[in-house]
Amino acid sequence: DIVLTQSPDSLAVSLGERATINCKSSQSVLHSSNNKNYLAWYQQKPGQPPKLLIYWASTRESGVPDRFSGSGSGTDFTLTISSLQAEDVAVYHCHQYYSSPFTFGPGTKVDIK
Amino acid sequence: QLQLQESGPGLVKPSETLSLTCTVSGGSISSSDYYWGWMRQPPGKGLEWIGSIYYSGTTYYNPSLKSRVSISIDTSKNQFSLKLNSVTAADTAVYYCARPIVVVPGALGNRIGWFDPWGQGTLVTVSS
Repeated sequence: DIVLTQSPDSLAVSLGERATINCKSSQSVLHSSNNKNYLAWYQQKPGQPPKLLIYWASTRESGVPDRFSGSGSGTDFTLTISSLQAEDVAVYHCHQYYSSPFTFGPGTKVDIK
Repeated sequence: QLQLQESGPGLVKPSETLSLTCTVSGGSISSSDYYWGWMRQPPGKGLEWIGSIYYSGTTYYNPSLKSRVSISIDTSKNQFSLKLNSVTAADTAVYYCARPIVVVPGALGNRIGWFDPWGQGTLVTVSS
């Protein structure tokens, strides 16, 4: 199974500042046939289901604010919130769909400092 | 706008079978562009993929649960269902249904992609 680890476990950022979350995969999720990384990011607010933010590691889902961006390739990925807003307080999960069983990272909690 | 809604008992006794149904509205469950799936999240913990099903009835399960899980689909009712037998306290979790997109090429043996949208989730507690 592909294991996803996230760092940090939690972080507190001032409003308007940058938040950076890392996701590391135990093996590459880059598919050689299409050169795409099979990794997605979700936002989960308290008491709510996960919401898709990013897929193919860097493609923003329609309607997601452009302050959210994804980057990375192979085994190392980053979700960046360029200017943290109050409504961004949530847990963020990475997810690989490269190999079954499909797995998720443990989540990173983002709070306001 | 596609919506998914889980339904089923919130309390199941140990050793019995957990049964949940996901009702899809705002779109057809028979689309060839998507799968349908179940995930769960124990209180305070991370997400776990349970399994997915295609409209044709082809199923894919997490090996960690495969011996106890069954997913079925009823295209006439626009619903799909989860059964998990021989439950223990470790199966206590919020259970979510969601729609995985078809990706090409996909993982070996299937084409399951990211999950969107998700149902609101339903808490199932295993306790006597």
